[in-house]
Amino acid sequence: GAGVSQSPSNKVTEKGKDVELRCDPISGHTALYWYRQSLGQGLEFLIYFQGNSAPDKSGLPSDRFSAERTGGSVSTLTIQRTQQEDSAVYLCASSSPDRLMNIQYFGAGTRLSVL
Amino acid sequence: AQKVTQAQTEISVVEKEDVTLDCVYETRDTTYYLFWYKQPPSGELVFLIRRNSFDEQNEISGRYSWNFQKSTSSFNFTITASQVVDSAVYFCALSDSGGYQKVTFGTGTKLQVIP
Repeated sequence: GAGVSQSPSNKVTEKGKDVELRCDPISGHTALYWYRQSLGQGLEFLIYFQGNSAPDKSGLPSDRFSAERTGGSVSTLTIQRTQQEDSAVYLCASSSPDRLMNIQYFGAGTRLSVL
Repeated sequence: AQKVTQAQTEISVVEKEDVTLDCVYETRDTTYYLFWYKQPPSGELVFLIRRNSFDEQNEISGRYSWNFQKSTSSFNFTITASQVVDSAVYFCALSDSGGYQKVTFGTGTKLQVIP
């Protein structure tokens, strides 16, 4: 597709359930990033992928959060045993392998609500 | 460590007024990149500009202009003759030039343009 695609756009779940959020980056973009944006807050870095590897997972808030990327393309962010404090908008971004063009392009996000 | 400060949390202006959004950054790197992103109510971050640390020339794009001053570590954004469509949250961001160029975002400035 032309841009970064995220699904679902909205997700409502019950506390304790697991959720999976999907990101489909721009074709050809080898770098992929996940961020979390709580209501009225800035962007909190979660994890970075280069290809299928995740050299920087430093932002994952707990072991309930995990992410994977397959085929150097689609990525899935999984939150296990969701808690109310996980409610936020989860944003995905991708960027070109050209280091001179390190512009991150963002998807519209997934709004997660944990009841 | 890198840090981006956007001291203005919210700004309200009347349509056609000029407005400047402030951004102050901290980095120990000699080569780095600065960015501005716009996040309209729809939620998707839109890339506006990227500036290399070696290029201190100001830039103008239509009603938008950016003032980069290394001496004060600032990268301010001015909207001339603001319009209602400019209402959004604006994020300033900083990345280094090494590794995977991790991007650090400020907390954003919410701009409301009143008709």
